[in-house]
Amino acid sequence: AQKVTQAQTEISVVEKEDVTLDCVYETRDTTYYLFWYKQPPSGELVFLIRRNSFDEQNEISGRYSWNFQKSTSSFNFTITASQVVDSAVYFCALLNVRDDKIIFGKGTRLHILP
Amino acid sequence: DTGVSQDPRHKITKRGQNVTFRCDPISEHNRLYWYRQTLGQGPEFLTYFQNEAQLEKSRLLSDRFSAERPKGSFSTLEIQRTEQGDSAMYLCASSLFQGSETQYFGPGTRLLVL
Repeated sequence: AQKVTQAQTEISVVEKEDVTLDCVYETRDTTYYLFWYKQPPSGELVFLIRRNSFDEQNEISGRYSWNFQKSTSSFNFTITASQVVDSAVYFCALLNVRDDKIIFGKGTRLHILP
Repeated sequence: DTGVSQDPRHKITKRGQNVTFRCDPISEHNRLYWYRQTLGQGPEFLTYFQNEAQLEKSRLLSDRFSAERPKGSFSTLEIQRTEQGDSAMYLCASSLFQGSETQYFGPGTRLLVL
């Protein structure tokens, strides 16, 4: 079975706090890709990052960082020094190479309070 | 580089009517995908095309749904005899398929069936 679980339905933090969004995935395939997308109130899904299953290096991009751990099937996303503009729904997603379909989690709604 | 565009952005229709949505992918992208997103859920795969060929359809795509990509560029998604359960956001994405490349999403068409 292929599945993406985002256990946190909704998170609220005060601006400038750090926040981590959890993502756990299930797949039988050895070759796959993981993604994070951001969906602001406007509705458009904005691509943030893509990692392949053979690359477990953590990545940092400005205030964003991602921690990929194959041993625990997790791909967590941390926002450092959060800002109000980070308020959105964030989706973790899985793509298996053999069928090229993205499977999304249910999303985590993040509220950054001023 | 223009992104994926969708038209219309919003559609309100009465139950039983037919509706058609259009998606224009990023110009050099050969794969085009349709997803449906209901409230509080992540997007779910409906179908996808490589050039003009429709390669896969989800079981979510009932007989009332049909998608085309006649010239391998823009695509249309038609829903016949709409039902209230069809109310959702319909998202289009495109990618340059060279081995599971990133899918870039359009702004979506929000459908409300009364």
